[in-house]
Amino acid sequence: LAKTTQPISMDSYEGQEVNITCSHNNIATNDYITWYQQFPSQGPRFIIQGYKTKVTNEVASLFIPADRKSSTLSLPRVSLSDTAVYYCLVGLTNTGNQFYFGTGTSLTVIP
Amino acid sequence: GAVVSQHPSRVICKSGTSVKIECRSLDFQATTMFWYRQFPKQSLMLMATSNEGSKATYEQGVEKDKFLINHASLTLSTLTVTSAHPEDSSFYICSARKQGNEAFFGQGTRLTVV
Repeated sequence: LAKTTQPISMDSYEGQEVNITCSHNNIATNDYITWYQQFPSQGPRFIIQGYKTKVTNEVASLFIPADRKSSTLSLPRVSLSDTAVYYCLVGLTNTGNQFYFGTGTSLTVIP
Repeated sequence: GAVVSQHPSRVICKSGTSVKIECRSLDFQATTMFWYRQFPKQSLMLMATSNEGSKATYEQGVEKDKFLINHASLTLSTLTVTSAHPEDSSFYICSARKQGNEAFFGQGTRLTVV
């Protein structure tokens, strides 16, 4: 079971780039890394997923070093609406179904 | 992205009664669905994993006779909280796994037991 560790909270000003790092030292060979965003009283929303190197979509980038023991979610030019809890998950392999949430990172964007 | 619908979004029930929560994948078939519970200011806690047509796998500490999970089709899973008590009040969230390695979440169900 790959456990994840993230900072509990972060603050950022509007318009800045935010990088949230997640540690997953015992990630398995087939595990994918997935990031979700959650607003209060809502279900988590998929942001991005990757296996190695770098993945970019319209809302974020995900950087994964060669050893895959950590990953960094990068949010470009955050706005107030990006204030939420961000979760890093490791799992959902081709053969396995484990999908556990860690503590998450509460991001507060300041005007 | 894929759509997962959960119903109801809010429910209030009397202590001792049972409540059923539905989770549907609207535009894809989900062979695996996950059920989570979330208390205020806490992370999501996995309760069980269900595969279509087979019994759910419950996490340690989760009572399978209290939280009945049925995954009868590739688009529907239900969670029934039996003999609910105030301590069962929580935010219940389902997730459906799309083919491959993506999982999408429902909007959650706020259960209040009075």
